[in-house]
Amino acid sequence: AQKITQTQPGMFVQEKEAVTLDCTYDTSDPSYGLFWYKQPSSGEMIFLIYQGSYDQQNATEGRYSLNFQKARKSANLVISASQLGDSAMYFCAMRRYGNKLVFGAGTILRVKS
Amino acid sequence: EAQVTQNPRYLITVTGKKLTVTCSQNMNHEYMSWYRQDPGLGLRQIYYSMNVEVTDKGDVPEGYKVSRKEKRNFPLILESPSPNQTSLYFCASIGGPLHFGNGTRLTVT
Repeated sequence: AQKITQTQPGMFVQEKEAVTLDCTYDTSDPSYGLFWYKQPSSGEMIFLIYQGSYDQQNATEGRYSLNFQKARKSANLVISASQLGDSAMYFCAMRRYGNKLVFGAGTILRVKS
Repeated sequence: EAQVTQNPRYLITVTGKKLTVTCSQNMNHEYMSWYRQDPGLGLRQIYYSMNVEVTDKGDVPEGYKVSRKEKRNFPLILESPSPNQTSLYFCASIGGPLHFGNGTRLTVT
């Protein structure tokens, strides 16, 4: 079964420090895509970063990077230099055949000043 | 501006009263989808559409209907809403990443 697991229901991080949000996935498809989305308290879903299963390098977008370990089926999100505005819910998602997306349960991140 | 527009943002209704949540995208995307978000469960797919007149069930389709008569619109219909359909609903279209609407918070009493 296609599945995304986010094992951290909630995380705290000190402002300006880096934080890693865990995501593991389960699929037998050779081709898939992995996404991270941010959901602030206002509710909208904001796309952060994408990693394709055949991409050789880890994706980076500004302060966001994706630590992709294909053999371990993990796609952890790393946020560097955390800011108060990073406090939000974060979802990991996998796009599989037919453009269907499967989402994890989410991780709530709180940045402390 | 490329966007997915969902309406309404908030809706409170009573059990059994038919309702429609509208969704429109201006990016000419073929693929559109509806999700519901519930605490501890993440987002679950209700229905999706690969193109006009092509729709299919997602993981939690019971109690919902959709239609795709034109490319830009993908309404979600609850013929007889029940309290267990109280949730946060998102419409999305795919062009690269998923582009989400702003969500509809539905309460069924």
